Amino acid sequence: QKEVEQDPGPLSVPEGAIVSLNCTYSNSAFQYFMWYRQYSRKGPELLMYTYSSGNKEDGRFTAQVDKSSKYISLFIRDSQPSDSATYLCAMSPFSGGYNKLIFGAGTRLAVHP
Amino acid sequence: IAGITQAPTSQILAAGRRMTLRCTQDMRHNAMYWYRQDLGLGLRLIHYSNTAGTTGKGEVPDGYSVSRANTDDFPLTLASAVPSQTSVYFCASRGRGGIGTDTQYFGPGTRLTVL
Repeated sequence: QKEVEQDPGPLSVPEGAIVSLNCTYSNSAFQYFMWYRQYSRKGPELLMYTYSSGNKEDGRFTAQVDKSSKYISLFIRDSQPSDSATYLCAMSPFSGGYNKLIFGAGTRLAVHP
Repeated sequence: IAGITQAPTSQILAAGRRMTLRCTQDMRHNAMYWYRQDLGLGLRLIHYSNTAGTTGKGEVPDGYSVSRANTDDFPLTLASAVPSQTSVYFCASRGRGGIGTDTQYFGPGTRLTVL
């Protein structure tokens, strides 16, 4: 079993829809959770960063962490065609110092006009 | 230069050939990483370096080697390429500090095809 599971999609939604992207994980030591966005033929770029449980909002994006269920989510409100990309969750047990990120396989999202 | 650069952008390589993928960062980050990305498998760590002069093995190190002679450069070498090494390779770096510095910054990638 992989440490981090992520539905690969693809997920296709109309413009303006609310999108929910999710990851589950098995390692209870994970405390730092990230979402990366990757456009086609580009490198991943950091979108959201959260520590421990709770919510974090940044514009149209909300990251949610439920450590008791080992489940994290990324919500996109009022989705735009420019949000079409692959979204990767990543997590780590440590902050600073040496760390390795564990990535999900990524979910492909297509937002159509 | 701003961020991380990788070269070449893409390469087609005959099996058995030696190949070095280059990675340079200008952010003075201590830690650097090499990943490969394959469909359905996501990003898998090949090798990493916490600081200049040190390296370590990641999840899939076989067939690859790295060196870290200075802070800025972290080349990845395939000594004798095989078709299973066909992939997209990403270099990443991370600074040192407190909370919030786990974030890794990625280069644009090298698309490698081994025939």
